[in-house]
Amino acid sequence: AQSVTQLGSHVSVSEGALVLLRCNYSSSVPPYLFWYVQYPNQGLQLLLKYTSAATLVKGINGFEAEFKKSETSFHLTKPSAHMSDAAEYFCAVRMNTGFQKLVFGTGTRLLVSP
Amino acid sequence: DGGITQSPKYLFRKEGQNVTLSCEQNLNHDAMYWYRQDPGQGLRLIYYSQIVNDFQKGDIAEGYSVSREKKESFPLTVTSAQKNPTAFYLCASGVGGLGTGELFFGEGSRLTVL
Repeated sequence: AQSVTQLGSHVSVSEGALVLLRCNYSSSVPPYLFWYVQYPNQGLQLLLKYTSAATLVKGINGFEAEFKKSETSFHLTKPSAHMSDAAEYFCAVRMNTGFQKLVFGTGTRLLVSP
Repeated sequence: DGGITQSPKYLFRKEGQNVTLSCEQNLNHDAMYWYRQDPGQGLRLIYYSQIVNDFQKGDIAEGYSVSREKKESFPLTVTSAQKNPTAFYLCASGVGGLGTGELFFGEGSRLTVL
């Protein structure tokens, strides 16, 4: 069955520093992978998605992620953190069943300090 | 604007009471979902629906019920049988079928049992 693992429940960076949020997936077939962002008491917003086209995917707000099949990873990065990036980030994989469902990781809370 | 509307945003319930959370979408999506979010546990699937008048249990359906009488609406009832109902509930919709699996989320409803 498909699953994702997010390493680190909390990540702290300084404003202007590189952001790296880790996600490893488990899938027996080429996966569809997603990164979502959630601000406090709000729903989830799609940052970017991998659908087996280009392995480097660019998303909103300057985020990008690289699909690495050999490492079964889909890490999220941003070159320079901004205070407004502080939020919770979820990695998700689409299950390859007869009906589409997403399986989510447990989330990583990004803290940005001035 | 197209989107998903959840109501109420905050709800308080006494033990032993049933409550119904509303979810309406105007995206013309066939598929709709209910997730439960608890701190540190990510999102867990409660129920999902592929088409009108059809729905399936997700991973944690016990103590919940749903209906899908209209394409736009997918209300969730939290029954008194749900032992720990205090949580943040998220409704989502998607194209379904041969789509990528991308989901669009509402703003969520926070239920607190007193």
